[in-house]
Amino acid sequence: AQTVTQSQPEMSVQEAETVTLSCTYDTSESDYYLFWYKQPPSRQMILVIRQEAYKQQNATENRFSVNFQKAAKSFSLKISDSQLGDAAMYFCAYKETSGSRLTFGEGTQLTVNP
Amino acid sequence: DAGVTQSPTHLIKTRGQQVTLRCSPKSGHDTVSWYQQALGQGPQFIFQYYEEEERQRGNFPDRFSGHQFPNYSSELNVNALLLGDSALYLCASSLYWTSGRTVETQYFGPGTRLLVL
Repeated sequence: AQTVTQSQPEMSVQEAETVTLSCTYDTSESDYYLFWYKQPPSRQMILVIRQEAYKQQNATENRFSVNFQKAAKSFSLKISDSQLGDAAMYFCAYKETSGSRLTFGEGTQLTVNP
Repeated sequence: DAGVTQSPTHLIKTRGQQVTLRCSPKSGHDTVSWYQQALGQGPQFIFQYYEEEERQRGNFPDRFSGHQFPNYSSELNVNALLLGDSALYLCASSLYWTSGRTVETQYFGPGTRLLVL
């Protein structure tokens, strides 16, 4: 079974600075999807960024970018120019291309200090 | 463009009762997935519905059942409620086939918080 591990239960960053959240996963598949979701106190799960395993290029979405290391099964999220609104729980998630389920990590609580 | 909607937002039940949660997918989506998120944990996959059929199921007992309607909306039913069923129930919608590949990105609703006393 696939597993997703987020080894940082909590992280903090100063406003306008950069922070990196870590995620590792375990799979025997060669093709799959990886996601970062953000869950603020409102509890709505919001998609931050998506990476397809067959693509070599790291995904970017404005201030958010990933470092996808397929051989190491690592998928970290970098948030640049952190803003107060970035404060939330961040979940890394894995999905097979042939399946339906998202497998989530335990989450990293990000605090942004003014 | 309407996003994923869920009802009710909060619910309180007692042990042994039954509950029905509802979800309307994002406009243009045909697939609904349900997740259970216990406090302080990541969401756990319950099941997914496409074409009114359960396509894949997670490790949840038969007390958890669902249904999808012709308009793609979905219900999650939980029978014989246990204290441990207290959680945030998230619905996610997606498009089953995109460019010849199966489900890609799932978009989540705001959730239904269920408390079992």
